[in-house]
Amino acid sequence: DAGVIQSPRHEVTEMGQEVTLRCKPISGHDYLFWYRQTMMRGLELLIYFNNNVPIDDSGMPEDRFSAKMPNASFSTLKIQPSEPRDSAVYFCASSNQNTGFTEAFFGQGTRLTVV
Amino acid sequence: RKEVEQDPGPFNVPEGATVAFNCTYSNSASQSFFWYRQDCRKEPKLLMSVYSSGNEDGRFTAQLNRASQYISLLIRDSKLSDSATYLCVVNDGNRDDKIIFGKGTRLHILP
Repeated sequence: DAGVIQSPRHEVTEMGQEVTLRCKPISGHDYLFWYRQTMMRGLELLIYFNNNVPIDDSGMPEDRFSAKMPNASFSTLKIQPSEPRDSAVYFCASSNQNTGFTEAFFGQGTRLTVV
Repeated sequence: RKEVEQDPGPFNVPEGATVAFNCTYSNSASQSFFWYRQDCRKEPKLLMSVYSSGNEDGRFTAQLNRASQYISLLIRDSKLSDSATYLCVVNDGNRDDKIIFGKGTRLHILP
């Protein structure tokens, strides 16, 4: 398996534009997590899904952020409109928790810069 | 109190030395504990799970103290390649499937 795949790796956009981040989890994993990492706040959990259903989105900072998981092999995180304070590295991770949590596998992240 | 707290460091340690850092967690119902490692500009990766009785993996030893609600990581005979950020990870306690990361402790091994 290729692991968790995120795209794009880097994104530079202007304030006010819509940004869509994409994630393909590891096949067979039933959980998918979206995290945001900054120097100041560390790794923050934004939202996570179980079997494509959002379980907890309490970490989503504002209504400008939305996430979807239309099927088991794809998820998106959308920011509309984007703001400079959204600049961060966004990680997607997946795990298989059929027998309890063991390990979350991370993608390489999307480095977002909003100017 | 934050859910998971770590000393951000950096810890600057000479090669070959032993270094230890702790992590405290706020929810006494948490049941799963892990240490992840993150290299500069890379994604976090699992270093080791932390078991109730403590566990060892080569030069790395992890301990859990439920009474005081902290976990620790000890690195013996440190190598230059151990330089990284070490992230403490705890499950939410109220929801076993919700995984919370600490901000990490930066470790620099000096030649």
